[in-house]
Amino acid sequence: DSGVTQTPKHLITATGQRVTLRCSPRSGDLSVYWYQQSLDQGLQFLIQYYNGEERAKGNILERFSAQQFPDLHSELNLSSLELGDSALYFCASSVVVANTEAFFGQGTRLTVV
Amino acid sequence: GENVEQHPSTLSVQEGDSAVIKCTYSDSASNYFPWYKQELGKRPQLIIDIRSNVGEKKDQRIAVTLNKTAKHFSLHITETQPEDSAVYFCAASMGGATNKLIFGTGTLLAVQP
Repeated sequence: DSGVTQTPKHLITATGQRVTLRCSPRSGDLSVYWYQQSLDQGLQFLIQYYNGEERAKGNILERFSAQQFPDLHSELNLSSLELGDSALYFCASSVVVANTEAFFGQGTRLTVV
Repeated sequence: GENVEQHPSTLSVQEGDSAVIKCTYSDSASNYFPWYKQELGKRPQLIIDIRSNVGEKKDQRIAVTLNKTAKHFSLHITETQPEDSAVYFCAASMGGATNKLIFGTGTLLAVQP
């Protein structure tokens, strides 16, 4: 157990819908990251927050947004869902902001039908 | 652009043999290079990492080497065991004050008993 908690574990939803994925980082970790893992794209970096502020952005779609709250948990919002958004979404956390081990949660498997 | 190439995509070895996985990165500012192991249906877990001021690092049967000039880094696993079977990902940080990791496409390692 990495100490990073993601909910829900599985999510099935229809195209056009909106979902929210939640992540609680390890106790003491200030930095949170979101990654998307699909069969054809591998692990793709979406976004990083550090102590509530956005720190780095990857190829995150405009339909996706995220935030980190004062209690350091993070949410990833996915809207206008398409079939191609089906993937495993991982949250990870670390103590410091750069060049350090990122601890991954178990992931949320999103299926868009 | 930001890119990490990883080879081979699949690797099959006999138990007890060595396995080598190679990665090449594009961003000369990268200074942190972790390796993650992902078992089927599970989260990626760090197995070893190396920073740019070090050329080699070992941890029991696992070693990583880094050639900053050539922008190459490699994972070496000796005396492989069936439980080493998994997908291995290399990654490179994009430099600066972030932990934005760009991952390779993964290597499926199968250790035959």
